[in-house]
Amino acid sequence: DQQVKQNSPSLSVQEGRISILNCDYTNSMFDYFLWYKKYPAEGPTFLISISSIKDKNEDGRFTVFLNKSAKHLSLHIVPSQPGDSAVYFCAASARETSGSRLTFGEGTQLTVNP
Amino acid sequence: DSGVTQTPKHLITATGQRVTLRCSPRSGDLSVYWYQQSLDQGLQFLIQYYNGEERAKGNILERFSAQQFPDLHSELNLSSLELGDSALYFCASSSWDLGEQYFGPGTRLTVT
Repeated sequence: DQQVKQNSPSLSVQEGRISILNCDYTNSMFDYFLWYKKYPAEGPTFLISISSIKDKNEDGRFTVFLNKSAKHLSLHIVPSQPGDSAVYFCAASARETSGSRLTFGEGTQLTVNP
Repeated sequence: DSGVTQTPKHLITATGQRVTLRCSPRSGDLSVYWYQQSLDQGLQFLIQYYNGEERAKGNILERFSAQQFPDLHSELNLSSLELGDSALYFCASSSWDLGEQYFGPGTRLTVT
């Protein structure tokens, strides 16, 4: 049972353009969502998070949008840079009921072309 | 650099053996989490400790155990190893029970 799904295994964009990474979830108890970036041979790096009481959170070039009714969140990166090329993981937790354990999606490989 | 350290970086061992993976959390972080990333399963939560006490358990096999010591470092013990245990094992830490988790570089375990 895949509770967090990232349906696009890969995404390729041009430098300077917007990258949009998508994530869907099925567990309505999820109340906290995070995005992580992962380079090969390194651990996931925390990027940005959003609580279920919000629909948008912004940090520099990164913005996360949450649509609770659609059980969908997205990460926007503007402008995209070649150094953003990595695997991006969406993660969720149900803090009220299951504590802080994270459930991860399968990841999306983002490639930003110069 | 997340501030979370894990040793060893690589480990190669035979089936039936036992290994210990070590994690030092970021300075001041009380929570430690262990995750397993295998090719066909993605990142899976194994277990969480908070200030020395087990806080939550995920899909952790009975052959696996963990503990968190008074200095807050944690160890994950894997015994009676099978080929399917080959994976990347990540440790993460957070400053409070529900905070953002910061991951270490991982230990790559290969069981032959």
